[in-house]
Amino acid sequence: AAGVIQSPRHLIKEKRETATLKCYPIPRHDTVYWYQQGPGQDPQFLISFYEKMQSDKGSIPDRFSAQQFSDYHSELNMSSLELGDSALYFCASSLAGRVGQYFGPGTRLTVT
Amino acid sequence: AQKITQTQPGMFVQEKEAVTLDCTYDTSDPSYGLFWYKQPSSGEMIFLIYQGSYDQQNATEGRYSLNFQKARKSANLVISASQLGDSAMYFCAMREALNTGGFKTIFGAGTRLFVKA
Repeated sequence: AAGVIQSPRHLIKEKRETATLKCYPIPRHDTVYWYQQGPGQDPQFLISFYEKMQSDKGSIPDRFSAQQFSDYHSELNMSSLELGDSALYFCASSLAGRVGQYFGPGTRLTVT
Repeated sequence: AQKITQTQPGMFVQEKEAVTLDCTYDTSDPSYGLFWYKQPSSGEMIFLIYQGSYDQQNATEGRYSLNFQKARKSANLVISASQLGDSAMYFCAMREALNTGGFKTIFGAGTRLFVKA
């Protein structure tokens, strides 16, 4: 079965640079979520989209923005990167009304 | 606010033995869902098992079972016949409703399981 796809899987950036992470949800899933997992931490909710509209925001910094496109894929844009942004970024998708929230393999961002 | 507590930062188990990973939760919602995820060193988040608050029976998925004690607000994961490949971080998680009808997942701090040969 098709799973959530994230790209790139690994990304190395320097401080103050920008980064774009991409997420392709499971086909027919209408909701996308982004999570950030710092080293040794549990994942923290950043933001979610339902039917291409932002639905909820968690602990997402103002330097980050995200959107969901007409094909339901989502992009997380990160600007003015800081060392503390180094983390594993997960995308998850779900179908409204269903229990399951399926996680992608994550993008490991390293800021140097 | 909802909260997940995992009190065991690390656990050791002998191969082929069973192990229980503890999880307690706190919520005021009458309807909620509990999950367990496995995160190996590769970093991916693998869904293991789900328990709904109204489910009458404890969830089971192969070697994984969830010991759900609603009155105690606990949802312990039991792994039977441990294998070396079970060595990983395990997260207990809860579904928390969002304003728009969707939900986010809140995680506990995790328990790192080490399986010894």
